Amino acid sequence: ILNVEQSPQSLHVQEGDSTNFTCSFPSSNFYALHWYRWETAKSPEALFVMTLNGDEKKKGRISATLNTKEGYSYLYIKGSQPEDSATYLCAFQGAQKLVFGQGTRLTINP
Amino acid sequence: ETGVTQSPTHLIKTRGQQVTLRCSSQSGHNTVSWYQQALGQGPQFIFQYYREEENGRGNFPPRFSGLQFPNYSSELNVNALELDDSALYLCASSFSGGLYEQYFGPGTRLTVT
Repeated sequence: ILNVEQSPQSLHVQEGDSTNFTCSFPSSNFYALHWYRWETAKSPEALFVMTLNGDEKKKGRISATLNTKEGYSYLYIKGSQPEDSATYLCAFQGAQKLVFGQGTRLTINP
Repeated sequence: ETGVTQSPTHLIKTRGQQVTLRCSSQSGHNTVSWYQQALGQGPQFIFQYYREEENGRGNFPPRFSGLQFPNYSSELNVNALELDDSALYLCASSFSGGLYEQYFGPGTRLTVT
């Protein structure tokens, strides 16, 4: 059974602080690693798709890194803002499907 | 360009009943994937439809079935509902059977009593 683990499960951060969280996935049969942001009552929104070991992607204050050999990805948020409050999902892409982690719920305290 | 829509938003059914959930894909997309998200878990892949054919299936029993129509909209049917089927059901559309650039709908919340 393919296991994708995210940690921590939830996180409270002060506005303006930076934070990061982890996605662990199998290191074999790797096609891609996806990150999504999911705000309450909205649709999950794609942040990044990462395919190569050592990949680093950035979108504004959010960035992600990928290590396929050891099977982990980090998502970083710099200078957290209230609008960053959401659940962040990672998904491992194998041959034909995405396997999601359970998500990290991020709350930014003003 | 219209986004992915799902109907209904919420649904309450009784154990043993059957349910049909609907998904309209993003304009230009010919692939729809369905996911089940139970409380406290990440979304789990149910199946994918590409050009009206099933194109991959997760670990769900046959009472979960689907259809894709010529306009690429899709239905998820669940027969003989069980209490554990209570979940948020998400659909996502993409192009050419791919999983990159997957756009999600807002989901249908199904409660089975």
